[in-house]
Amino acid sequence: AQSVTQPDIHITVSEGASLELRCNYSYGATPYLFWYVQSPGQGLQLLLKYFSGDTLVQGIKGFEAEFKRSQSSFNLRKPSVHWSDAAEYFCAVGPVLGGATNKLIFGTGTLLAVQP
Amino acid sequence: GAVVSQHPSWVICKSGTSVKIECRSLDFQATTMFWYRQFPKQSLMLMATSNEGSKATYEQGVEKDKFLINHASLTLSTLTVTSAHPEDSSFYICSATSGIGTDTQYFGPGTRLTVL
Repeated sequence: AQSVTQPDIHITVSEGASLELRCNYSYGATPYLFWYVQSPGQGLQLLLKYFSGDTLVQGIKGFEAEFKRSQSSFNLRKPSVHWSDAAEYFCAVGPVLGGATNKLIFGTGTLLAVQP
Repeated sequence: GAVVSQHPSWVICKSGTSVKIECRSLDFQATTMFWYRQFPKQSLMLMATSNEGSKATYEQGVEKDKFLINHASLTLSTLTVTSAHPEDSSFYICSATSGIGTDTQYFGPGTRLTVL
């Protein structure tokens, strides 16, 4: 079965500290992986994506993620968190095998709080 | 680029009335649009996949007669919640892709529906 797990429901970090948000997936082939961010009351903004090639992916706002096939993980990192990074972060994998193309499976999200 | 808009951003309606939500791709042609529903502090639940010029494909458990989806052009899809009830109150988000396969989904800002 295809699934995405974000083990951390809520994370609090201090401003300026480093950040790592975990994402694990279960997928029957090489997945396409995405990280999205959602601010309160807003839609989702794409941070970065991995389709193929270099397993370390750079995104917007200073974020990066590393695809580790052996660990079935795609963790999101940022070396120094800013207060404006406080938001909900969703990991997603696609396409859904056996169904229509483009469909994504989303994790349950990790809510990031940033302390001054 | 890749901007998706939704209108309205929020709507309050009386029980039993119908509400239409528009999703537009502003700077690209969206061959596929997706409609999601998001409950507070939860992940996104895919309701249906909409391809331009054809009938929408609904996810299991989603009532197609209650949530009418029309994708009349390559830049516009609409979701109509018919005979709305308080339990339909939710945050509805659309997304759009410009290609086939695993093309990235770009999300609208969402529409908050409150049914009294």
